[in-house]
Amino acid sequence: KAGVTQTPRYLIKTRGQQVTLSCSPISGHRSVSWYQQTPGQGLQFLFEYFSETQRNKGNFPGRFSGRQFSNSRSEMNVSTLELGDSALYLCASSLGQGMTDTQYFGPGTRLTVL
Amino acid sequence: AQKVTQAQTEISVVEKEDVTLDCVYETRDTTYYLFWYKQPPSGELVFLIRRNSFDEQNEISGRYSWNFQKSTSSFNFTITASQVVDSAVYFCALMSRDDKIIFGKGTRLHILP
Repeated sequence: KAGVTQTPRYLIKTRGQQVTLSCSPISGHRSVSWYQQTPGQGLQFLFEYFSETQRNKGNFPGRFSGRQFSNSRSEMNVSTLELGDSALYLCASSLGQGMTDTQYFGPGTRLTVL
Repeated sequence: AQKVTQAQTEISVVEKEDVTLDCVYETRDTTYYLFWYKQPPSGELVFLIRRNSFDEQNEISGRYSWNFQKSTSSFNFTITASQVVDSAVYFCALMSRDDKIIFGKGTRLHILP
C-alpha cells in the first residue's frame, strides 16, 4: 500500500507570494492533518480535514487555509508569504477523524521563503 | 493551559546502552491522549505509541517501553539495548478535549557506535 505522498518536496518562494502544497493520503484514509515544523516553534498543528470538512484548526492566521477533495486528497495554501513561513510542512492521514486514530505521516514539503 | 515538556534537548549514548527520554505534560482535562513519535533524519514522522489517560499500564514493544504515571504527569520512553538506527529526534505529544495536538520540543538522540 502506498504511503502518504506530498508534493512538491522542496519549494522556494519570495515574500508576498502564495503557495499551494498537496497531500495524497493512504488509500482509504479519510482524515488529513497538516503540521508546520520550524526550529523555533517546533511542531505545530495547522488543521485537520475529514470528509471534505475542516474539523479542527490550530492557532494560525487566516493566511493559512486548506481544503480536502472528494478523493481525500488535501491541499494547503499560504497566501502573502512571510519569511517566518519557512518551514517543513508535514501532512498525515488516518482512517478515522480526530487525533485518536493512528496517523501516518508523509515526507513533508520544505518551504523556503526568501 | 496545556503543555508538553521534554527537558532533554539532546542525548548521546553508546550503542547497546539503555536510554530513557523524559516527557512531562500539563492538562486540566481528565480525558486525554499521549503520543510518542520518532523523526529520523529523513524528516518523516513515525508514530510509535498512543496512550489514553485511563490506561496507566506500561507498554513494551520489542526494545521500546513506555512508563505512564498520572501522579507525576509523565510519559517516559525507554529504549533498551540502543542501536545506531535509533538515532533520531523523538517527540512526545498531548491531545485532549479540543482535539488539538500539542508537541514537545523534541529530544535529539545520538547513538554512538
